[in-house]
Amino acid sequence: DQQVKQNSPSLSVQEGRISILNCDYTNSMFDYFLWYKKYPAEGPTFLISISSIKDKNEDGRFTVFLNKSAKHLSLHIVPSQPGDSAVYFCAASARGSSNTGKLIFGQGTTLQVKP
Amino acid sequence: AAGVIQSPRHLIKEKRETATLKCYPIPRHDTVYWYQQGPGQDPQFLISFYEKMQSDKGSIPDRFSAQQFSDYHSELNMSSLELGDSALYFCASSLSPTGPGSYEQYFGPGTRLTVT
Repeated sequence: DQQVKQNSPSLSVQEGRISILNCDYTNSMFDYFLWYKKYPAEGPTFLISISSIKDKNEDGRFTVFLNKSAKHLSLHIVPSQPGDSAVYFCAASARGSSNTGKLIFGQGTTLQVKP
Repeated sequence: AAGVIQSPRHLIKEKRETATLKCYPIPRHDTVYWYQQGPGQDPQFLISFYEKMQSDKGSIPDRFSAQQFSDYHSELNMSSLELGDSALYFCASSLSPTGPGSYEQYFGPGTRLTVT
């Protein structure tokens, strides 16, 4: 039962354009969402997070949008750079109910930014 | 800034052997999480500790055990290793998830365990 889903295994974008990575979830108890970037043979690197009380959070080139009614979130990267090429994981947590903070990950989306 | 440290980075063991993975969290982080990532899969939660007490347990085999010590470092002990245990094992640390504000988890570089 995949509670967090990233339905696009891969995405290719031209340098300077916008990259949009999508994530859907099924568990309505999730109230905290995070995006991680991962290079091969390295650990996931935290990018940006959003609480369910917000619908948008922005940090430099990265913006995360949350649509609670649709149980959908997306990560926008503008402008995309070749160094952004990596696997991006969406993760969710049910802080309010469990208080343990464990993360449930999506399957990941491989982003390739072409020069 | 100091990051999460994991050792060893690579480990090769034979079936039925034991392995111990170590994790040193970011200073002042009191919560540690262990995740397992198989080939082509997403990270799966194994177990977590808060203030040296187990706080949650995921799909961790009974052959595995873990603990958090007084200096907040954690060790994952794996016995009777099986071929299917070959994976990347990540440790992450954070501030307490019960506290106010954000509490992002920061991951270590991982330990690649190969069971032959």
